[in-house]
Amino acid sequence: EDKVVQSPLSLVVHEGDTVTLNCSYEVTNFRSLLWYKQEKKAPTFLFMLTSSGIEKKSGRLSSILDKKELFSILNITATQTGDSAVYLCAVIVGGQVNDMRFGAGTRLTVKP
Amino acid sequence: DAGITQSPRHKVTETGTPVTLRCHQTENHRYMYWYRQDPGHGLRLIHYSYGVKDTDKGEVSDGYSVSRSKTEDFLLTLESATSSQTSVYFCAISGGQGETQYFGPGTRLLVL
Repeated sequence: EDKVVQSPLSLVVHEGDTVTLNCSYEVTNFRSLLWYKQEKKAPTFLFMLTSSGIEKKSGRLSSILDKKELFSILNITATQTGDSAVYLCAVIVGGQVNDMRFGAGTRLTVKP
Repeated sequence: DAGITQSPRHKVTETGTPVTLRCHQTENHRYMYWYRQDPGHGLRLIHYSYGVKDTDKGEVSDGYSVSRSKTEDFLLTLESATSSQTSVYFCAISGGQGETQYFGPGTRLLVL
């Protein structure tokens, strides 16, 4: 059975802190790993990672994939209250159509 | 934002009644998906479609059916709603295999 496990489940930090969110996976026929940010509505896309060791960056957010150890991390530096959200990790598994398996999410709260 | 709308946005219904949720896209994407999101479970795939009249089951398809008669519309039907189907339902779209999925705003369904 495919599994995507995120840790921690929740995290409370103060503005300016740096956080690291973890996602490990055990799936058959891995294709890609994605990170989404979900506030009080639909998940919004952050990153898609397909190759090991290549960091993706967008402003204060960055992410990297390790396909040997089967995990990914999402880093957020200099956190702001607007970063408060649930961060979802998802893995696209192979086959003829893309099929995503989601982790349960990490709830990040950034306090002023 | 990707052009995805869902209707209704909120619905309260009684056990045993049929319910149909609609997802409409203006992106002309081939792939469409229905997920449900529940606390502690993250997002789970119910059904997906890879073209008009082409659909298949996801990991939690029992009690649900879908139809896609046009590229832009993907309907999810609960033939006889149960309280366990109380959830938030998200539609998603993607352009091709292995491509990023973009999510609609969600439908909050309460089955009493």
